Amino acid sequence: DPKIIQKPKYLVAVTGSEKILICEQYLGHNAMYWYRQSAKKPLEFMFSYSYQKLMDNQTASSRFQPQSSKKNHLDLQITALKPDDSATYFCASSQDGGADTQYFGPGTRLLVL
Amino acid sequence: GDSVTQTEGLVTLTEGLPVMLNCTYQTIYSNPFLFWYVQHLNESPRLLLKSFTDNKRTEHQGFHATLHKSSSSFHLQKSSAQLSDSALYYCALSDPYQGGRALIFGTGTTVSVSP
Repeated sequence: DPKIIQKPKYLVAVTGSEKILICEQYLGHNAMYWYRQSAKKPLEFMFSYSYQKLMDNQTASSRFQPQSSKKNHLDLQITALKPDDSATYFCASSQDGGADTQYFGPGTRLLVL
Repeated sequence: GDSVTQTEGLVTLTEGLPVMLNCTYQTIYSNPFLFWYVQHLNESPRLLLKSFTDNKRTEHQGFHATLHKSSSSFHLQKSSAQLSDSALYYCALSDPYQGGRALIFGTGTTVSVSP
């Protein structure tokens, strides 16, 4: 069974719309992350949460909002979508510490038209 | 700010030849943790190996790397490339003492191994 679930796997959206990317992990980890990967840029850190508290935010735009309803959930809401937001969004989790391995989910591939 | 540099964007080689991927870093952390992640086509990144200890060789799945703090380097090597090694390789660093911190990735090196 997959330990990190991301939904949906593929997503096509219209410019200006809003979408929520879902991430659930069943590894018992305390820290969760969002990364983005596009053709223009390599893996790019976006947010990290530890024990449901925001630890790091390196996303300049407020259009991206993480939402943690449970310790093992970290969703990503994206508003006012732009074509430049087209990318694969990876959720990851780790036990907690910075030395702990981060495990990546399968990703959500977003295409904004 | 912290950064990771991978100088090669693409490495092409023939099966059986050695592989060496360069990674250097800059960081404010006195004891950073360094990682190599591998990403095969249409898959998500997964850990290949990691290190925290200066001048100690770390090995996994035929690959090895040694963290050299004196030169801020963590180069990845393998003595004999296999076709299955074709993938995207990322070097990354993190703060080992703070939970939930970002992994700072390099730009990645694509390795293409041909018969």
